[in-house]
Amino acid sequence: QQQVKQSPQSLIVQKGGISIINCAYENTAFDYFPWYQQFPGKGPALLIAIRPDVSEKKEGRFTISFNKSAKQFSLHIMDSQPGDSATYFCAASSHGQNFVFGPGTRLSVLP
Amino acid sequence: NAGVMQNPRHLVRRRGQEARLRCSPMKGHSHVYWYRQLPEEGLKFMVYLQKENIIDESGMPKERFSAEFPKEGPSILRIQQVVRGDSAAYFCASSPTGDNQPQHFGDGTRLSIL
Repeated sequence: QQQVKQSPQSLIVQKGGISIINCAYENTAFDYFPWYQQFPGKGPALLIAIRPDVSEKKEGRFTISFNKSAKQFSLHIMDSQPGDSATYFCAASSHGQNFVFGPGTRLSVLP
Repeated sequence: NAGVMQNPRHLVRRRGQEARLRCSPMKGHSHVYWYRQLPEEGLKFMVYLQKENIIDESGMPKERFSAEFPKEGPSILRIQQVVRGDSAAYFCASSPTGDNQPQHFGDGTRLSIL
C-alpha cells in the first residue's frame, strides 16, 4: 500500500514532442505529490508538486494532471528539449511523512 | 551557496569499518530526511529528523545504522561495520517545516565498500 508505481521505465522523445510519465498509488492518505528531476551525479531537484484538491497544475512547460478517483497522476513535459534528458521520479507523502518515491523514468530527448 | 551540503561526496570503506555521512540543511530548515539510492533505482526513505529528535525511522535497517541531528552542527548518518550491500548513494534533503513542504536535496554521498 505504500508503493508508488511509475511508468514507463524509459522514454525516448523527439525534440519538440510531449513527454508523458504516469504514476499510480494505493494509499489514500497520501496528500502531497511532487515530481523530481535528477541528472547523473546530482541530487533530485523538485520540479513541480500538486495536492489532491486540484486536478491540474502547470508551471512553464511542466504540467501535473491528477486523478483522485483513479489514484493516478502524471507529468507532461511540453516541447521537450535535449536538456530535459534526465531521470524523473514521482513521489507521494502523507502529512510530510512517509515519503515514497517511484522507481524512476529515464527520459532521452533526441535532438 | 545556500543549498543542502553533503560531505564527503565520495567515501570508500573496507568491510567492517564505519562510515559517517554528514548533511548540513539549507539555512532556516530544521527538518532533515535521509534516503538511499541503489544504481538504476529510486530513492528509499530511511529516516526523518528534526533538531534533536527522530520523527520517523521506519526505513532504517534495525542494526548498524543510526542517525542524529544535534542542536548544533550537521545531521549525521552513521553506518557501523559496513558490508558490501551498503554500497549506494545516500541523499539528504531538508525542508523548513515537516508538513508537505518541498524537500531540497543535496548531491549525495557515494559510498563504496571494498
